[in-house]
Amino acid sequence: ETGVTQTPRHLVMGMTNKKSLKCEQHLGHNAMYWYKQSAKKPLELMFVYNFKEQTENNSVPSRFSPECPNSSHLFLHLHTLQPEDSALYLCASSLRDRGYEQYFGPGTRLTVT
Amino acid sequence: QKEVEQDPGPLSVPEGAIVSLNCTYSNSAFQYFMWYRQYSRKGPELLMYTYSSGNKEDGRFTAQVDKSSKYISLFIRDSQPSDSATYLCAMVDNAGGTSYGKLTFGQGTILTVHP
Repeated sequence: ETGVTQTPRHLVMGMTNKKSLKCEQHLGHNAMYWYKQSAKKPLELMFVYNFKEQTENNSVPSRFSPECPNSSHLFLHLHTLQPEDSALYLCASSLRDRGYEQYFGPGTRLTVT
Repeated sequence: QKEVEQDPGPLSVPEGAIVSLNCTYSNSAFQYFMWYRQYSRKGPELLMYTYSSGNKEDGRFTAQVDKSSKYISLFIRDSQPSDSATYLCAMVDNAGGTSYGKLTFGQGTILTVHP
């Protein structure tokens, strides 16, 4: 595997389900990010982790819960989502002091029914 | 007012044309300016970044930053059908501390290059 990988690529879940998105980076980076991409809206930064420590929570609802067990892995735990949470969820990574140079995974297309 | 404004297009050009993509911004603290390309069903791919004002060239792509006007551009020369994608501008102040990596994106411009 190379670059940034994300699983699953597609996910359909009901509003009462609990699911998790996984991201793994193979670039030797030490900062990881979660973004939300909705139609006709700019990419929205959700969470930032530097050296496994969360340094940014961009007013994200608590139904989204991130976890970063080490510098290479990042999870987004989902529970009791709303239909408006349907979007493409993108993971990215970078070196901490080169946060302007982020590399993205292919994303997870989430549909909440 | 949005922090970063980008015309969503869509923009359609013939093969071989010069394409100009633009963003304006309001935050004078931005120092790094990036252009990403996103193909359908893929994640964004970093094309190039520029620090402060000036030009940067990479093959058929040229990025320009005018901080005095708060205006950035991406030019694509000899455009090809394979350049058809959504182009996203992004910027960050990167002043250190909690600003690391907090990119602000434009909405993206959809570009189609037809043969």
